[in-house]
Amino acid sequence: QKEVEQNSGPLSVPEGAIASLNCTYSDRGSQSFFWYRQYSGKSPELIMSIYSNGDKEDGRFTAQLNKASQYVSLLIRDSQPSDSATYLCAVLMSGTASKLTFGTGTRLQVTL
Amino acid sequence: GAGVSQTPSNKVTEKGKYVELRCDPISGHTALYWYRQSLGQGPEFLIYFQGTGAADDSGLPNDRFFAVRPEGSVSTLKIQRTERGDSAVYLCASSPAGTGYGYTFGSGTRLTVV
Repeated sequence: QKEVEQNSGPLSVPEGAIASLNCTYSDRGSQSFFWYRQYSGKSPELIMSIYSNGDKEDGRFTAQLNKASQYVSLLIRDSQPSDSATYLCAVLMSGTASKLTFGTGTRLQVTL
Repeated sequence: GAGVSQTPSNKVTEKGKYVELRCDPISGHTALYWYRQSLGQGPEFLIYFQGTGAADDSGLPNDRFFAVRPEGSVSTLKIQRTERGDSAVYLCASSPAGTGYGYTFGSGTRLTVV
């Protein structure tokens, strides 16, 4: 089992729809979770962090965390073509001071 | 500086050669990280510095890889006897402290070993 798992996609959603990106992780003791966006040929850019169970909203983005189910998700409301990118889930595993473990990423395509 | 700076942006080298990749972190950031990203994969951890010392080098794949940060700022990743399998984008990131609050990545160095 991979430490951080994501569906590689592509996930295709029409413009204006809600995109739902999911991530599961293996370490039950993990406490910190991050979503990065990576455009093709560019480096990852931090868009959301979440540390407590529940929802965290920032503009059109909502991160959701369920530690009991070891599940974290990212919702993008009113999806725009500019949201087309790969979204990487990253987890700070327990027992590591600062090393993030990344999933393979989900490629999102927002269609006109 | 305003962001994390990595040089060179691209490096093509012959198999067996030695390469150095440089990272200049955001000013004042004490934590610095090196990751490697292959096509279609997420970034893979290599090494983490807190100040001048390597706090965690568990991701370095073998003894051909070595990194330094002698003054607690700029870091250099050194790869000896390069192999074709070393071809990847090498990403550097920094953060204010090693607390896992997410970090800022540089634009990366694309290394191609031919």
